[in-house]
Amino acid sequence: QKEVEQDPGPLSVPEGAIVSLNCTYSNSAFQYFMWYRQYSRKGPELLMYTYSSGNKEDGRFTAQVDKSSKYISLFIRDSQPSDSATYLCAMSSIKAAGNKLTFGGGTRVLVKP
Amino acid sequence: EADIYQTPRYLVIGTGKKITLECSQTMGHDKMYWYQQDPGMELHLIHYSYGVNSTEKGDLSSESTVSRIRTEHFPLTLESARPSHTSQYLCASSETGEYYEQFFGPGTRLTVL
Repeated sequence: QKEVEQDPGPLSVPEGAIVSLNCTYSNSAFQYFMWYRQYSRKGPELLMYTYSSGNKEDGRFTAQVDKSSKYISLFIRDSQPSDSATYLCAMSSIKAAGNKLTFGGGTRVLVKP
Repeated sequence: EADIYQTPRYLVIGTGKKITLECSQTMGHDKMYWYQQDPGMELHLIHYSYGVNSTEKGDLSSESTVSRIRTEHFPLTLESARPSHTSQYLCASSETGEYYEQFFGPGTRLTVL
Protein backbone atom coordinates (compact mmCIF):
# COMPACT_ATOMS: atom_id res chain seq x y z
CA GLN A 1 0.00 0.00 0.00
CA LYS A 2 1.26 3.45 -0.90
CA GLU A 3 1.90 5.93 1.90
CA VAL A 4 -0.03 8.62 0.05
CA GLU A 5 -3.03 7.89 -2.16
CA GLN A 6 -4.38 10.32 -4.73
CA ASP A 7 -6.98 9.80 -7.43
CA PRO A 8 -5.22 10.23 -10.80
CA GLY A 9 -8.32 11.67 -12.51
CA PRO A 10 -8.64 13.24 -14.98
CA LEU A 11 -11.03 15.66 -13.35
CA SER A 12 -12.85 17.76 -15.93
CA VAL A 13 -14.82 20.83 -14.81
CA PRO A 14 -16.37 23.84 -16.55
CA GLU A 15 -14.75 27.23 -16.11
CA GLY A 16 -15.91 28.91 -12.90
CA ALA A 17 -16.63 25.66 -11.06
CA ILE A 18 -15.05 24.64 -7.78
CA VAL A 19 -12.31 22.04 -8.11
CA SER A 20 -12.03 19.65 -5.18
CA LEU A 21 -8.92 17.54 -4.78
CA ASN A 22 -7.88 15.24 -1.96
CA CYS A 23 -5.27 12.81 -0.68
CA THR A 24 -5.28 10.19 2.02
CA TYR A 25 -2.20 9.02 3.85
CA SER A 26 -1.19 6.30 6.26
CA ASN A 27 1.83 7.73 8.11
CA SER A 28 0.64 9.50 11.26
CA ALA A 29 4.07 11.17 11.62
CA PHE A 30 3.39 13.51 8.70
CA GLN A 31 3.11 17.09 9.94
CA TYR A 32 3.84 19.20 6.86
CA PHE A 33 1.37 19.10 4.01
CA MET A 34 1.83 20.66 0.63
CA TRP A 35 0.09 21.01 -2.69
CA TYR A 36 2.17 21.41 -5.82
CA ARG A 37 0.96 22.29 -9.30
CA GLN A 38 2.74 20.80 -12.29
CA TYR A 39 2.14 21.94 -15.85
CA SER A 40 3.02 19.60 -18.68
CA ARG A 41 6.77 19.38 -19.31
CA LYS A 42 7.52 21.57 -16.26
CA GLY A 43 8.72 21.00 -12.72
CA PRO A 44 6.25 21.18 -9.81
CA GLU A 45 5.68 24.54 -8.12
CA LEU A 46 4.43 24.98 -4.56
CA LEU A 47 0.84 26.23 -4.25
CA MET A 48 -0.03 25.78 -0.60
CA TYR A 49 1.72 24.66 2.55
CA THR A 50 0.04 23.74 5.84
CA TYR A 51 1.57 22.69 9.11
CA SER A 52 -0.45 20.17 11.18
CA SER A 53 -4.25 20.40 11.07
CA GLY A 54 -6.51 23.21 9.97
CA ASN A 55 -7.41 25.34 7.01
CA LYS A 56 -5.39 27.80 5.00
CA GLU A 57 -6.67 30.16 2.35
CA ASP A 58 -4.72 31.99 -0.34
CA GLY A 59 -6.76 33.77 -2.97
CA ARG A 60 -8.82 31.21 -4.85
CA PHE A 61 -7.10 28.30 -3.12
CA THR A 62 -8.04 26.67 0.19
CA ALA A 63 -6.12 23.82 1.77
CA GLN A 64 -7.56 21.67 4.54
CA VAL A 65 -5.86 19.09 6.73
CA ASP A 66 -7.70 16.59 8.90
CA LYS A 67 -5.01 14.63 10.74
CA SER A 68 -7.56 12.53 12.65
CA SER A 69 -8.83 11.14 9.35
CA LYS A 70 -5.42 11.32 7.60
CA TYR A 71 -7.04 13.30 4.82
CA ILE A 72 -6.07 16.52 3.08
CA SER A 73 -7.95 18.59 0.53
CA LEU A 74 -7.37 21.42 -1.90
CA PHE A 75 -10.21 23.55 -3.23
CA ILE A 76 -9.90 25.87 -6.20
CA ARG A 77 -12.69 28.43 -6.49
CA ASP A 78 -13.71 30.15 -9.72
CA SER A 79 -11.54 27.77 -11.72
CA GLN A 80 -9.86 29.08 -14.87
CA PRO A 81 -8.52 27.27 -17.95
CA SER A 82 -5.06 28.26 -16.72
CA ASP A 83 -5.68 26.01 -13.68
CA SER A 84 -5.52 22.98 -16.00
CA ALA A 85 -2.54 21.04 -14.68
CA THR A 86 -1.61 18.08 -12.51
CA TYR A 87 -1.92 18.71 -8.79
CA LEU A 88 0.37 16.77 -6.48
CA CYS A 89 -0.01 16.46 -2.76
CA ALA A 90 3.19 16.02 -0.74
CA MET A 91 3.91 15.39 2.91
CA SER A 92 6.81 15.35 5.27
CA SER A 93 7.59 14.70 8.90
CA ILE A 94 10.02 16.41 11.23
CA LYS A 95 11.97 13.17 11.41
CA ALA A 96 12.21 12.66 7.67
CA ALA A 97 15.83 12.42 6.61
CA GLY A 98 16.77 15.37 4.45
CA ASN A 99 13.25 16.82 4.76
CA LYS A 100 12.18 14.12 2.36
CA LEU A 101 8.82 14.70 0.72
CA THR A 102 6.43 11.84 0.05
CA PHE A 103 4.29 12.59 -2.98
CA GLY A 104 0.93 11.37 -4.18
CA GLY A 105 0.66 10.33 -7.81
CA GLY A 106 -1.09 13.55 -8.83
CA THR A 107 -4.57 14.39 -10.10
CA ARG A 108 -4.88 15.75 -13.61
CA VAL A 109 -7.35 18.63 -13.80
CA LEU A 110 -8.87 20.04 -16.96
CA VAL A 111 -10.88 23.26 -16.78
CA LYS A 112 -12.94 23.72 -19.93
CA PRO A 113 -13.77 27.25 -21.16
CA GLU B 1 17.28 36.10 -10.94
CA ALA B 2 17.50 33.22 -8.46
CA ASP B 3 16.49 30.02 -10.14
CA ILE B 4 17.21 26.33 -10.62
CA TYR B 5 18.35 25.04 -14.00
CA GLN B 6 18.52 21.63 -15.58
CA THR B 7 20.22 20.61 -18.81
CA PRO B 8 19.54 19.02 -21.14
CA ARG B 9 15.76 19.32 -21.13
CA TYR B 10 15.41 16.31 -23.42
CA LEU B 11 17.88 13.52 -24.10
CA VAL B 12 17.54 10.48 -26.35
CA ILE B 13 20.47 8.11 -26.09
CA GLY B 14 21.46 4.55 -26.89
CA THR B 15 21.93 1.72 -24.41
CA GLY B 16 25.33 1.57 -22.75
CA LYS B 17 26.17 5.26 -23.04
CA LYS B 18 27.39 7.28 -20.09
CA ILE B 19 25.30 10.35 -19.37
CA THR B 20 25.39 13.24 -16.94
CA LEU B 21 22.32 15.31 -16.13
CA GLU B 22 23.20 18.79 -14.96
CA CYS B 23 21.49 20.74 -12.19
CA SER B 24 22.49 24.18 -10.99
CA GLN B 25 20.82 26.62 -8.63
CA THR B 26 21.50 30.27 -7.94
CA MET B 27 19.34 30.42 -4.82
CA GLY B 28 22.16 29.82 -2.35
CA HIS B 29 20.44 26.71 -1.01
CA ASP B 30 22.41 24.08 0.86
CA LYS B 31 20.03 21.19 0.26
CA MET B 32 19.54 19.66 -3.16
CA TYR B 33 17.53 16.69 -4.36
CA TRP B 34 17.05 14.44 -7.37
CA TYR B 35 13.62 12.90 -8.03
CA GLN B 36 12.53 10.41 -10.67
CA GLN B 37 9.02 10.70 -12.10
CA ASP B 38 7.38 8.31 -14.54
CA PRO B 39 4.29 9.57 -16.45
CA GLY B 40 1.27 9.75 -14.17
CA MET B 41 3.25 8.47 -11.23
CA GLU B 42 4.64 9.82 -7.98
CA LEU B 43 7.93 11.62 -7.66
CA HIS B 44 10.44 9.31 -6.01
CA LEU B 45 13.51 10.66 -4.24
CA ILE B 46 16.67 9.00 -5.58
CA HIS B 47 19.43 11.22 -4.14
CA TYR B 48 19.82 14.20 -1.83
CA SER B 49 22.58 16.35 -0.41
CA TYR B 50 22.84 18.47 2.72
CA GLY B 51 25.71 20.50 1.29
CA VAL B 52 29.17 20.30 -0.27
CA ASN B 53 30.68 16.79 -0.09
CA SER B 54 27.42 15.38 1.27
CA THR B 55 25.39 12.87 -0.75
CA GLU B 56 22.75 10.40 0.40
CA LYS B 57 20.62 7.80 -1.34
CA GLY B 58 16.89 8.33 -1.38
CA ASP B 59 14.00 5.91 -1.11
CA LEU B 60 14.07 4.62 -4.65
CA SER B 61 17.05 2.49 -5.51
CA SER B 62 18.88 3.95 -8.47
CA GLU B 63 21.95 2.96 -10.43
CA SER B 64 22.81 6.62 -10.84
CA THR B 65 25.42 8.46 -8.82
CA VAL B 66 25.67 12.10 -7.76
CA SER B 67 28.36 14.47 -6.60
CA ARG B 68 28.32 17.80 -4.75
CA ILE B 69 31.64 19.57 -5.16
CA ARG B 70 30.13 23.04 -5.32
CA THR B 71 27.11 24.35 -3.46
CA GLU B 72 25.29 25.39 -6.62
CA HIS B 73 25.95 22.25 -8.68
CA PHE B 74 24.49 18.74 -8.22
CA PRO B 75 25.02 16.57 -11.31
CA LEU B 76 23.59 13.06 -11.73
CA THR B 77 25.51 10.43 -13.70
CA LEU B 78 24.49 7.13 -15.25
CA GLU B 79 27.58 5.10 -16.17
CA SER B 80 25.74 2.81 -18.57
CA ALA B 81 22.25 3.84 -19.61
CA ARG B 82 19.56 1.19 -20.08
CA PRO B 83 15.96 1.40 -21.34
CA SER B 84 14.76 0.95 -17.73
CA HIS B 85 16.34 4.36 -16.98
CA THR B 86 13.85 6.06 -19.29
CA SER B 87 12.03 8.59 -17.11
CA GLN B 88 11.81 12.25 -16.13
CA TYR B 89 14.46 13.43 -13.69
CA LEU B 90 13.68 16.46 -11.53
CA CYS B 91 16.19 18.42 -9.50
CA ALA B 92 15.14 20.51 -6.50
CA SER B 93 16.73 22.65 -3.82
CA SER B 94 15.73 24.08 -0.45
CA GLU B 95 17.06 26.00 2.50
CA THR B 96 18.19 24.09 5.57
CA GLY B 97 15.83 23.78 8.50
CA GLU B 98 12.83 21.94 9.86
CA TYR B 99 10.82 22.64 6.76
CA TYR B 100 11.46 24.80 3.75
CA GLU B 101 9.85 24.82 0.35
CA GLN B 102 11.58 22.71 -2.27
CA PHE B 103 12.03 24.58 -5.55
CA PHE B 104 12.05 22.40 -8.63
CA GLY B 105 13.86 22.70 -11.92
CA PRO B 106 12.06 22.08 -15.24
CA GLY B 107 13.25 18.47 -15.45
CA THR B 108 15.18 16.34 -17.93
CA ARG B 109 13.19 13.85 -19.93
CA LEU B 110 15.50 10.92 -20.65
CA THR B 111 14.79 8.24 -23.24
CA VAL B 112 17.17 5.30 -23.56
CA LEU B 113 16.73 3.26 -26.72
